[in-house]
This record gives sequence, structure tokens and C-alpha cells, in this order.
Amino acid sequence: DAGITQSPRHKVTETGTPVTLRCHQTENHRYMYWYRQDPGHGLRLIHYSYGVKDTDKGEVSDGYSVSRSKTEDFLLTLESATSSQTSVYFCATNLGQGTSYNSPLHFGNGTRLTVT
Amino acid sequence: GENVEQHPSTLSVQEGDSAVIKCTYSDSASNYFPWYKQELGKGPQLIIDIRSNVGEKKDQRIAVTLNKTAKHFSLHITETQPEDSAVYFCAASRTGNQFYFGTGTSLTVIP
Repeated sequence: DAGITQSPRHKVTETGTPVTLRCHQTENHRYMYWYRQDPGHGLRLIHYSYGVKDTDKGEVSDGYSVSRSKTEDFLLTLESATSSQTSVYFCATNLGQGTSYNSPLHFGNGTRLTVT
Repeated sequence: GENVEQHPSTLSVQEGDSAVIKCTYSDSASNYFPWYKQELGKGPQLIIDIRSNVGEKKDQRIAVTLNKTAKHFSLHITETQPEDSAVYFCAASRTGNQFYFGTGTSLTVIP
């Protein structure tokens, strides 16, 4: 949906190591998002981007950074992974904002990250 | 910020029966309410959405109702089929770039 590809699909890493997850979209959507999904918490926003080099924090941004150097790519980096960051990470995109019109999110198929 | 609560967390129904999932929200300025279906190993997929200027919307066996005064909205699935088994999420948004999700409902349709 919306041509969103996440890589890798699965990753196991050790505590303290850096990890980068990649999201690539082919729909030229302006907004891109990173969510994490954990049992009992639903989907929680980590960071989002509203354009190239324009990013903002979500509700669970501590320990994460993002970068967007091209419209189609949005990277999520865990500088020093911790066990609490074991989760499933989803990238999403949409057309963008507007109080008179909101467009739905389109999601990738996720990256399952395990920090040991 | 917005707080979205979703109930029930699990729901089992017999094939052919109806299923109802309910969500409440706290921010009266929220004006867009999408519902997503998530199958195992996949990302959430939009199944239906409703905007605050509409009280009900239907798409074949799926319907969503919105009560702005009470700040709650519901997903109704009629004539359930085994392929409806999945996790369903509600969400609320007022800006189009901040979506708040419920904690999900795991629906099982028993053949």
C-alpha cells in the first residue's frame, strides 16, 4: 500500500549497538512517520517528517533520531540500542495536514527488532 | 494530548454474527477517525474512516458511527467471515499529522 518498503524486516542486535531502520516510499507523500507497536500500547509515534530535512518529535522520541535527505527515504536510528527498544517498528506516510481535510496513514509491513 | 480508549481488547464471534468495537476519545477538536485492520505479520490497513461532519458511514459489511457529543465512535462488522479475523485499531486525529491510536481489538471469527 502506497509503495512503502521497510528494511530490514527482522533484526537482532545487542544492547549498546547502533541500529538504523530504513523506510522507502514511491508515492511522493509529503509526510512520513515512524511508529512502534507494543502489546497493550497500540501504535505510538516516535518521530515524523513533513518534508526533506524537516522532522519533529512524537510521544516516544527519547533514544531515537531520524533523518530525511530525500522525499522517498526516512531513516530511524537507535544510537545505542536498549532492551526497552525491542519492538515492531512501522513506517507510515500520508499526504499531509490541513484542518479541513485529513488523509489516512498508509503503513509498511514493519521491522521486528530484538535487542538482546 | 489526545487519549483514545478501545474496547474490548478481544472479541470472539460466530461466523455470520455481528461484531462491534468501540472507541472513545478525549480531545473534542479531533475531527478524523480512521479504522485499521492488521493481519499477522503485516502493517495496519485502512478499512474505513469517518470525518466529524458525518454521523455514519457504510462500506458493504462495515460501518462506522460517530457521536461527537459523547466523543465515541464504533466499528460495526455484519455477517462476519473467518477472513475478518485480525486485530483492529481505531485512531483519532485533528491535525492530519498527529494520529492517536487505540490499543487494538483482536477479533476471532469462529467458523
